[in-house]
Amino acid sequence: QKEVEQDPGPLSVPEGAIVSLNCTYSNSAFQYFMWYRQYSRKGPELLMYTYSSGNKEDGRFTAQVDKSSKYISLFIRDSQPSDSATYLCAIHTGKLIFGQGTTLQVKP
Amino acid sequence: ETGVTQSPTHLIKTRGQQVTLRCSSQSGHNTVSWYQQALGQGPQFIFQYYREEENGRGNFPPRFSGLQFPNYSSELNVNALELDDSALYLCASSWASGRGGNTIYFGEGSWLTVV
Repeated sequence: QKEVEQDPGPLSVPEGAIVSLNCTYSNSAFQYFMWYRQYSRKGPELLMYTYSSGNKEDGRFTAQVDKSSKYISLFIRDSQPSDSATYLCAIHTGKLIFGQGTTLQVKP
Repeated sequence: ETGVTQSPTHLIKTRGQQVTLRCSSQSGHNTVSWYQQALGQGPQFIFQYYREEENGRGNFPPRFSGLQFPNYSSELNVNALELDDSALYLCASSWASGRGGNTIYFGEGSWLTVV
């Protein structure tokens, strides 16, 4: 079993839609969770960083951690074509353990 | 801009050759790590350096080696290149305070193609 699982998509939505991106993880001891956005042929850019359970909001982005289910989510409200990218979830254990990444396309 | 710079951005090497990739970490950061990202996959941890010492290594063979210099810049060396080494190599820097959960920033990567 992989330590972090993420549906690779691709996911295609119309502009303005609410997007839900999800990952599951295997080790209940994990506490630090991150979301990165990666545009084509670029390095990953840190979007959100949460510790333990709960929600964190930053503009149109909300990160959610459910430790009881070992499930992490990223919600994007009012999605824009510029949100089209690959979204990577990661667990921070001193190193980063990444999911496979979900490719998102937001159509105008 | 994360302040993490990598060079070269693209390179092509022949199987069996050796390659050196370079990274300048963000100012004030004392920890650098390297990741390999194959096409369509998430980045995989290669190793990490803290104060010029390797302090963590992923599941990569010894032909992957590295250095961190006193100014916290770093090199990744790969010997005896194989076709499967073709990937985006990412450098990441952070400040390790010992408390865990430090923020990690990535450079734009070096695209390596092995032919």
